[in-house]
Order: sequence, then structure tokens, then C-alpha cells
Amino acid sequence: DTAVSQTPKYLVTQMGNDKSIKCEQNLGHDTMYWYKQDSKKFLKIMFSYNNKELIINETVPNRFSPKSPDKAHLNLHINSLELGDSAVYFCASSQEQGATEAFFGQGTRLTVV
Amino acid sequence: AQSVTQLGSHVSVSEGALVLLRCNYSSSVPPYLFWYVQYPNQGLQLLLKYTTGATLVKGINGFEAEFKKSETSFHLTKPSAHMSDAAEYFCAVSPLNYGGATNKLIFGTGTLLAVQP
Repeated sequence: DTAVSQTPKYLVTQMGNDKSIKCEQNLGHDTMYWYKQDSKKFLKIMFSYNNKELIINETVPNRFSPKSPDKAHLNLHINSLELGDSAVYFCASSQEQGATEAFFGQGTRLTVV
Repeated sequence: AQSVTQLGSHVSVSEGALVLLRCNYSSSVPPYLFWYVQYPNQGLQLLLKYTTGATLVKGINGFEAEFKKSETSFHLTKPSAHMSDAAEYFCAVSPLNYGGATNKLIFGTGTLLAVQP
């Protein structure tokens, strides 16, 4: 009964491919996020959705397209993958906007070769 | 722009010694403050948080942190390190504006804590 689950956990793909990462939370939270952790462990927010509505888009290239079919799911689709996209992508959720605690998934390690 | 600075990317302590991990933030309005821990190949887990009220906050696993507005700091401490504390620790802020809380965490660059036997 994982609270925030991401699939896949590992993803190795070639440059130019399109891939998706799925995220689901069973906490009943209204807000979900995608964060990117680079090779130096630096974490930066990419997107935030509240009740399926995009709230934050932190100047992420438009090759990245989040999709929230319902408030329990926030998927991340990446087109035309580049070497620099290699990172660990974390999904997270929180009770509501401006909530004081975010719950993180286990991460998806994306390697672009 | 708001930022978080963690002094020391690597900290090594002996088992049983005091743990002190430093965090300073820059913000015109004191933000909400957090410490998260990341064990190898895992997601982030909340250790503790400060929003309002008592400036000394206690978290899980014996950790605590004190919010000092005058120093814009939120250092993390634990009186006695345990081998199981070895992990990456991230300080984060959730910026506030005059309209209320914002909707994101801004992280520091992390501190890798090593605990020597």
C-alpha cells in the first residue's frame, strides 16, 4: 500500500525516443508534483498540479508534458529525449496547495544513452 | 529569488557524536522550513518541519532543528549519531508571499552524512 508510487523505477533509453513515467498516489491528496534530481543530487521542481490543473511550470522545456487524468495520477511524458535529461525524477503529493508536507515516491532513474 | 544554502556537502561524524547540519535561507518573508532525508536509491522522507509557533522543532529518529529568524538559519542536530543515520539530508523551504503559502519546495544542495564506527 505504497503512498506515492512511480513506474518504472529504472528507464534506459536512446536519444530521440519518447518515454513516459507514471505516478499514482493513494493518499487522497489534491496536489501532485514532479521534481528532477540531477547527477549532483540537486532537486528542482518541474511541475505542480492541483486537482488536475497545472499550477506551476518551472521553465521546463516543452518536450516535457505532464498529464493528470485525475487528481490521483500525474504522468510525465518526455519527447525527443536528450542526454541531459538523464536524472532521477520524483513524483510527490501534498494535501493541498501550500501544504506543509510533500510525500515523495521512490523515484525513476532515467538514463539516456 | 529565494534560495537555500547548506554548508558542507559532506559531513563525517563518529558514532555517538553530535550531528550538526547547517542550513541558511534567503527570504524577505520567513518561509516554511523542512528537513528531508534520502537513503540510497530511495525517495525523500520528511524529518521535521517548521511553520509557525515554537522555534525548536523535533522530528523523527531523534533529530531536531531550531528556526532562528535573526540568523535566517534552520540547522539540524542530533545529540548522538547512529550508523543508520548515514544518508543525504536536504534542507528545503516553501516560500511564502503576502498571499499565503506557495506551492513548491526549494531545496538546498544536500549534505551527505557519513557515520564512522
